Amino acid sequence: AQSVTQLDSQVPVFEEAPVELRCNYSSSVSVYLFWYVQYPNQGLQLLLKYLSGSTLVKGINGFEAEFNKSQTSFHLRKPSVHISDTAEYFCAVSAMGAAGNKLTFGGGTRVLVKP
Amino acid sequence: IAGITQAPTSQILAAGRRMTLRCTQDMRHNAMYWYRQDLGLGLRLIHYSNTAGTTGKGEVPDGYSVSRANTDDFPLTLASAVPSQTSVYFCASSVDAGRVDTQYFGPGTRLTVL
Repeated sequence: AQSVTQLDSQVPVFEEAPVELRCNYSSSVSVYLFWYVQYPNQGLQLLLKYLSGSTLVKGINGFEAEFNKSQTSFHLRKPSVHISDTAEYFCAVSAMGAAGNKLTFGGGTRVLVKP
Repeated sequence: IAGITQAPTSQILAAGRRMTLRCTQDMRHNAMYWYRQDLGLGLRLIHYSNTAGTTGKGEVPDGYSVSRANTDDFPLTLASAVPSQTSVYFCASSVDAGRVDTQYFGPGTRLTVL
């Protein structure tokens, strides 16, 4: 079984400041990691994913994340946030099993960008 | 391309009533999923379907049922709604259940059970 812990439920940040959203996972098998973003009153959309290869993954809107196997982490970063980055961010882990491709989500981190 | 559509957008339902949430995708994806989103708990998988004609139980299946008569449609039914089923429900799909890949989400249905 796998699980995901997002260490911060809310992160207030000023516009143009950097932000880091923390994500730790546990899994007994090979892991594949995702970050999704949910803007107010919308569904989830993919920011970035790690399936294999380089541990530094770049996504849309200037976000990037680094897979750290020894620390079982997949933290999300952006060097300079905009007001439009105000949203909820979800880390998720996927593991292939007999039942197919299943995503397990963390509890989410709500980012509020202040002017 | 619409992607995934869900209906209704929102609904207030009396406890004990039956309700079906609709989900349709036009991407010809084989795999589809239903999640519920609750504050602080993220999204939890209710049911899934790896291909038309097959379904399976997720993490929180009790009180819900699904069917997959064709590739495009994946309705979720609450046979007798209870207040604890108040939540936001998201349908999602992915190309193939046999490989790890992006899941694409619909806009959600906000359900309130009174």
